[in-house]
Amino acid sequence: AQTVTQSQPEMSVQEAETVTLSCTYDTSENNYYLFWYKQPPSRQMILVIRQEAYKQQNATENRFSVNFQKAAKSFSLKISDSQLGDTAMYFCAFIASGSRLTFGEGTQLTVNP
Amino acid sequence: GAGVSQSPSNKVTEKGKDVELRCDPISGHTALYWYRQSLGQGLEFLIYFQGNSAPDKSGLPSDRFSAERTGGSVSTLTIQRTQQEDSAVYLCASSLRAGAYTGELFFGEGSRLTVL
Repeated sequence: AQTVTQSQPEMSVQEAETVTLSCTYDTSENNYYLFWYKQPPSRQMILVIRQEAYKQQNATENRFSVNFQKAAKSFSLKISDSQLGDTAMYFCAFIASGSRLTFGEGTQLTVNP
Repeated sequence: GAGVSQSPSNKVTEKGKDVELRCDPISGHTALYWYRQSLGQGLEFLIYFQGNSAPDKSGLPSDRFSAERTGGSVSTLTIQRTQQEDSAVYLCASSLRAGAYTGELFFGEGSRLTVL
């Protein structure tokens, strides 16, 4: 079974600074996909960024980037130039050959003005 | 509609009553997922549909929970004889198809269920 672990229940950052959210996972699969989803207070989950395991290059989407370490089974999210609108719960998620997207416990990020 | 639509947005019920939660996925999306999110917790997988069939319903917590999907579109999650521990936000998501290459799931805003 796959598991996803987010060891930081809460984090805070000052506006315009950089913050990194951690995620580790456990799997015996070789091909899989990893995701970071954002859940603002409105409750609607929004995809932030995705990474294919077979790609060595780290994914980047504007201010969001990942540090994917396949051997260490680590998948951290870096948010640069943090904005107040980045305040949300962030979930790391994993999917392999099955169709069940497995989520971590989430990290509540607060961006302070 | 343009996104995944869920109803009701909020539901308060008494212990022992039955409830139905509805999900209307994005048009053309063949895969549909139900997750449960308890207060301050991550997302717990319940069931997913590919078309009208449910290849994986292993996440349903008990036989009081059931789900169906008709016409490859709308899905209904039914909870019979509700218990207080059923209180949670029930999230629905859809994607073009199921599988490891699914990529992005599109989520609704959830149905918040409170069992008194």
